[in-house]
Parts: sequence; structure tokens; C-alpha cells
Amino acid sequence: EAQVTQNPRYLITVTGKKLTVTCSQNMNHEYMSWYRQDPGLGLRQIYYSMNVEVTDKGDVPEGYKVSRKEKRNFPLILESPSPNQTSLYFCASSFRQGAIDTQYFGPGTRLTVL
Amino acid sequence: KQEVTQIPAALSVPEGENLVLNCSFTDSAIYNLQWFRQDPGKGLTSLLLIQSSQREQTSGRLNASLDKSSGRSTLYIAASQPGDSATYLCAVDTGNQFYFGTGTSLTVIP
Repeated sequence: EAQVTQNPRYLITVTGKKLTVTCSQNMNHEYMSWYRQDPGLGLRQIYYSMNVEVTDKGDVPEGYKVSRKEKRNFPLILESPSPNQTSLYFCASSFRQGAIDTQYFGPGTRLTVL
Repeated sequence: KQEVTQIPAALSVPEGENLVLNCSFTDSAIYNLQWFRQDPGKGLTSLLLIQSSQREQTSGRLNASLDKSSGRSTLYIAASQPGDSATYLCAVDTGNQFYFGTGTSLTVIP
């Protein structure tokens, strides 16, 4: 089954404790992306990756890191989480075939930073 | 910077009614526009994708239109059903990045 998986689905942590949220897709997609969703603000893009070893900042990259060592995986790293990073996080992937580009989303990770 | 707006923020209609959701964007330099559905506590599911060269796309009871020059898209839902209750989001693809609206929360009353 074609899918994007994220782990963990729920996480409660404390300020300053490094964490990683994993994202994996089995569709051989080149493009992967991380978003955060906050009430009233919608989804905002954190980082995206056009292919292996190619990553770039989205609209809200501060406080986050990513890596793309393999095509299928795109982990999101919070080196020193703060309460303002409490949010719902989504990973997404897609082919980049010119303008035909449907995004597939993971189920989301709800993060609470105390 | 691209900004995407969706109106209304919430909508409640009786079952069977036809309805229109609106999406507007500030920069017409887009590759495509997608409409998504999000159920509470769930991820996003793609409903329709309209390429920048297209005017509309249809899937079942859903029809999406795109007027790139005016920066507008509409999602038309025919004969609404309670199962259509969800939040609907539009997103524009500028080539590298995606910009989402804040969504329209739809409730269809049986």
C-alpha cells in the first residue's frame, strides 16, 4: 500500500530535550516536505527536499533541522524544542513531474513541548 | 510571498444542498492548485488538482475551477451529504513550495 508514515504519532516532551520525528514514504517520490498546522494559521511549510541531499527552507524553518540521506526518509529534528513548537506536524511527499504533482500526506504527529 | 485565503471559514448546510467554497491567492505564478479534505485528527487527502493551464477538474460530485489571472479557485460540491463534513483546504504550488489556505470547515446537517 502506497503511504507516508510518521513516528511517533503523539509526543509530549520538555523544553530543550532534542527529538526527532521520522517520516518515510514507499512511493519512490523525489519531493518530500514538512509542515506544521496551527489553529488560525493553517499549514505552513517548514522544510522541503527536492531529492536526496537537497533540502531547502520553507516559510518557518527556525528551530528545525532536516536531512535527506535516503530517498524514502526525511526526518525532522528539533535540537532544542521550545513551547512555541507545540503543534501538529505533517510530512508529505510527491513526484515532481512538471506541473502534475499530487501531494500525499502522513497521518500527522501531535507534539507538545512543556 | 504567496498568500492564500479561504472564505468562508465555516459553513453549515442542510443535506442535499449544492455549495461553493472559495480560495484566493495573491501571486498568479503558480504551477497548480490542489484541493484537500481533512477529517478531524487525520491527515490530508487530495481531492482535485488543477494544473495552471487548466480551467477546471471534476471528480464525482466535486468540481474545481481555476482562474489564474484573477487568483481565484472554487470548489463546487453537488448534492451535499453528511459524509462531506470535514475541513477543506486549498494549496498552491509555486514550483518549489506549497502555500495553504486556513481552510473552510463544512458541516452538512442530515
